[in-house]
Amino acid sequence: KQEVTQIPAALSVPEGENLVLNCSFTDSAIYNLQWFRQDPGKGLTSLLLIQSSQREQTSGRLNASLDKSSGRSTLYIAASQPGDSATYLCAVRYNFNKFYFGSGTKLNVKP
Amino acid sequence: EAGVAQSPRYKIIEKRQSVAFWCNPISGHATLYWYQQILGQGPKLLIQFQNNGVVDDSQLPKDRFSAERLKGVDSTLKIQPAKLEDSAVYLCASGPPGAANTGELFFGEGSRLTVL
Repeated sequence: KQEVTQIPAALSVPEGENLVLNCSFTDSAIYNLQWFRQDPGKGLTSLLLIQSSQREQTSGRLNASLDKSSGRSTLYIAASQPGDSATYLCAVRYNFNKFYFGSGTKLNVKP
Repeated sequence: EAGVAQSPRYKIIEKRQSVAFWCNPISGHATLYWYQQILGQGPKLLIQFQNNGVVDDSQLPKDRFSAERLKGVDSTLKIQPAKLEDSAVYLCASGPPGAANTGELFFGEGSRLTVL
């Protein structure tokens, strides 16, 4: 059974800190992994998509890495800002376009 | 390019009443998903369509939930009768078909349901 776990469930950091969010998955036969951001009361906004053949993807202050063999992905946020406060979710795609989501990490960046 | 459209954004009903949610995916997207997201949890798949056919509805509570995508474009999710535990955000997502499919999911803003 495919399971996706995100640790920590919540994180509070002062502005300017670099931070790492973790996502682990039990079945390594993935097609890709996608990181999303969700603001309160909103839908999910795609941040980064890593295909199974890739090791990392970068967009601005965000860097996502993928280690398929160990079943892990990390989302690195550099120089965090209060506007980064949101819930971050990872989703793993398997065959037949099946997606499994973690429960998310709720990030609070304090000014 | 227009995104995934959902309506209504918010709905408050009493238990045992019925409710319907509508989703219009990104134009040309063959795959459409309905997810239920309870507060503090990740989205849980309710039903997956490929064009107008159902791919997976194994987690859809079929005694009260129904969904259709008759023309392979927009979709409706219905709950009848609603229970208190159905209070959640209902998210619609879509993905492009075939060779254009990078496997990326695109989400709508969601429909927040409160059952009193």
